[in-house]
Amino acid sequence: SAVISQKPSRDICQRGTSLTIQCQVDSQVTMMFWYRQQPGQSLTLIATANQGSEATYESGFVIDKFPISRPNLTFSTLTVSNMSPEDSSIYLCSVAEMIKAEAFFGQGTRLTVV
Amino acid sequence: GENVEQHPSTLSVQEGDSAVIKCTYSDSASNYFPWYKQELGKGPQLIIDIRSNVGEKKDQRIAVTLNKTAKHFSLHITETQPEDSAVYFCAAKPLASKLTFGTGTRLQVTL
Repeated sequence: SAVISQKPSRDICQRGTSLTIQCQVDSQVTMMFWYRQQPGQSLTLIATANQGSEATYESGFVIDKFPISRPNLTFSTLTVSNMSPEDSSIYLCSVAEMIKAEAFFGQGTRLTVV
Repeated sequence: GENVEQHPSTLSVQEGDSAVIKCTYSDSASNYFPWYKQELGKGPQLIIDIRSNVGEKKDQRIAVTLNKTAKHFSLHITETQPEDSAVYFCAAKPLASKLTFGTGTRLQVTL
């Protein structure tokens, strides 16, 4: 499976600021996803990061709040904009191949907004 | 869309006993069912998966069963060890669609 590195691993941010999370994969992958995991909860898909085009967002998530970039097949960023305490969560990068269904996750970014 | 229910939410077993976690799904088009283990402070790790053309799959102490008719699948862990303590998530995925996760089961293996 691919090795997925996320940066930062954790951060404490002031409300009203923005944080950009990076996801780097050690091999080219077809699909990259961003998930949110609120404290003690399950995983919720935010969006699919598309190479060279706008991300595909799930219901309840918008580009202005969670802008995503994917400049190539090994890298993506998720920005959490204008943060509030409700944005305190673990944000997870995930990768998969189009043909294979297996999805793999990074170690997550633990965000606390104060 | 797909809806996945998972039970129990917490499970405590003694070391050496078996643990069973059950999930049900709603979308009959789902054909891929992975299980993830999430240890504290880490991302989810894929531990086993099953596809709809198979009824059971085993990997050492871990096995997964699938009943397509009843739309449920289960994770079985035998001879549990303290290092099995974690949160386990089931998921379901139709072809060309997204993964939908269950609500998670916190498994504690006591000595």
